[in-house]
Formats: sequence, C-alpha cells, structure tokens
Amino acid sequence: DSGVTQTPKHLITATGQRVTLRCSPRSGDLSVYWYQQSLDQGLQFLIQYYNGEERAKGNILERFSAQQFPDLHSELNLSSLELGDSALYFCASSRTELNTEAFFGQGTRLTVV
Amino acid sequence: GQNIDQPTEMTATEGAIVQINCTYQTSGFNGLFWYQQHAGEAPTFLSYNVLDGLEEKGRFSSFLSRSKGYSYLLLKELQMKDSASYLCAVSPMNTGFQKLVFGTGTRLLVSP
Repeated sequence: DSGVTQTPKHLITATGQRVTLRCSPRSGDLSVYWYQQSLDQGLQFLIQYYNGEERAKGNILERFSAQQFPDLHSELNLSSLELGDSALYFCASSRTELNTEAFFGQGTRLTVV
Repeated sequence: GQNIDQPTEMTATEGAIVQINCTYQTSGFNGLFWYQQHAGEAPTFLSYNVLDGLEEKGRFSSFLSRSKGYSYLLLKELQMKDSASYLCAVSPMNTGFQKLVFGTGTRLLVSP
C-alpha cells in the first residue's frame, strides 16, 4: 500500500458525460501528479500540483481539468467524454517537487461506453 | 522532445539474470527512472540515475550512460514475482522531477 488513495476504483459512464476522479496523497506529501495509461499510449503525464498550485502541464486535453484543495487532496475532472478516454488514471504524490521517488495510487479504471 | 525505446517483451528463467535496455533521444533531462508495474496495478519506483554509472539496490541495478543515450535495468536471481512490466522514464530538463516521460514498457515473463 503506497498510502495514496484513489476513488473510485472503477467507473463506467457514457459518451458525453462528465466524471470526477479523486486522489488523496500520502500524509505530508505536497505534490500531486496525474497520469493517464491507455493500452496504445503507455503512461502519459497530465498535470502536476504543488501545495494547491498548478506546476506543470503535460498532454492534458482542454476537456480535462484538475485542482488541488487546501487539504491537499486533488480531483481530476473529465468532461464531454469520448470512447478514447477509456484508460487507467493514476495519481501519484511526493513530499516536495525535488523528491525523485513518487508513490502511485492504485488507479481509477474509466470505461466510456 | 523525448523518444524512449524499450523492447516490448522479454522472457527469462527463474534464478537467471536479465538486462532490460532503454535508449532515449532527448535534448536534456534531469535523470532517468525505472518503475515496475504488475498488470492492473500501480507503478512502483525502482531506481533513479542522474550521473553516469551503476546504481545497485539489492537484486536490482540500473545503469546510465548520458553520452550514449542508454540505460539498462539489471535483475539478478530472478523470481516468479518479478514477472511485470518495467518502465523507463526520463525527467525532462527545466521541469519538476516528476513530470516524467515514460517509455511504453518492457513486459518481462519469468518462467520456472
């Protein structure tokens, strides 16, 4: 158990819908990262937050957004869902931005039908 | 940009040694990471190399050569539980350490 908690574990929804994925980082970790893993693309960095502020952006679609709250948990919002958004979404956390080791949650498996 | 290449799949026998290679083309990076991922599970951190050379950590070692754009992960005394995907990743220059660019991973199958 990495100490990073993601909910829900599984999510099935229809095209065009909107979902919210939640991540609670390890106790004391200030930095949260979101990754998408699909079969054909591998693990792709989406976005990073540090102590409530957005720090880095990767290949995140405009239909996707995220935020980190004062209690440091983070949410990833996915809207106007398409079939291609079906993937495993991982959240990871680290103590600071300088830590080389990040701890991943177990992921949320999103299926868009 | 970054282009990371790893073999798609490898097989090895329990007790043996296996080397998983990773080559990359990048304009610069902070360091190179290796992660292990069992099917359907979260990636777990194995190693991080910033300088050239070998980093040893128990049965696992990782090597980096920046001049050759090359890294490898060496797994010794293979166990059945080592069957997993091994992901090579780089942390691009001028970004936080964890804005990682991953390769597609090498699936290792360890047989008895």
